[in-house]
Amino acid sequence: DTGVSQDPRHKITKRGQNVTFRCDPISEHNRLYWYRQTLGQGPEFLTYFQNEAQLEKSRLLSDRFSAERPKGSFSTLEIQRTEQGDSAMYLCASSLGWTDSSPPRTDTQYFGPGTRLTVL
Amino acid sequence: AQSVTQLDSQVPVFEEAPVELRCNYSSSVSVYLFWYVQYPNQGLQLLLKYLSGSTLVKGINGFEAEFNKSQTSFHLRKPSVHISDTAEYFCAVRVARDDKIIFGKGTRLHILP
Repeated sequence: DTGVSQDPRHKITKRGQNVTFRCDPISEHNRLYWYRQTLGQGPEFLTYFQNEAQLEKSRLLSDRFSAERPKGSFSTLEIQRTEQGDSAMYLCASSLGWTDSSPPRTDTQYFGPGTRLTVL
Repeated sequence: AQSVTQLDSQVPVFEEAPVELRCNYSSSVSVYLFWYVQYPNQGLQLLLKYLSGSTLVKGINGFEAEFNKSQTSFHLRKPSVHISDTAEYFCAVRVARDDKIIFGKGTRLHILP
């Protein structure tokens, strides 16, 4: 399977604990994105990487959240001191990145299956 | 700032009947438009996208969408639905050369036997 993979698929934790999720993008993709999806809502952008550089972070990403992509391949998203409001599906996506080809094209983001976090 | 409105949170439709899922967007600049589908317990899958050119876009699984710039809409249609189309459908926008996608709240499609 050459798609985006995420691990674990489900995580149940107690309030106050730290959790870490992993995302493995499609191998040739240099962009990696994290989104959060709460019940009844669409996914909301959290952050993204171009290779190992973190280029943008949403205001949704509080100080308790940190994401890394140390070698430009897989990425981790850590949540410290989890709160019940952190309960959500965390989605990872990857893409090839922009080109300046004409006609214009946009690089498609391919999503993983997500990690469902439940904070008790 | 860009936003996406999906007017219907749920749409029930009988099997083999046509369906339209509505999407309106707001943006002061040019955008790219997408429809994603999320089957139960799965990630998001791209159904179709509008970048430029023909306003009628055909996607996978028999779906199509029409971009209407004057009405800022990008409604999704299928002439005949199947039980396997039961899923949540998300309309999304992306500003040209921006990287994040802005999603609507989703429309849950219920197929009735």
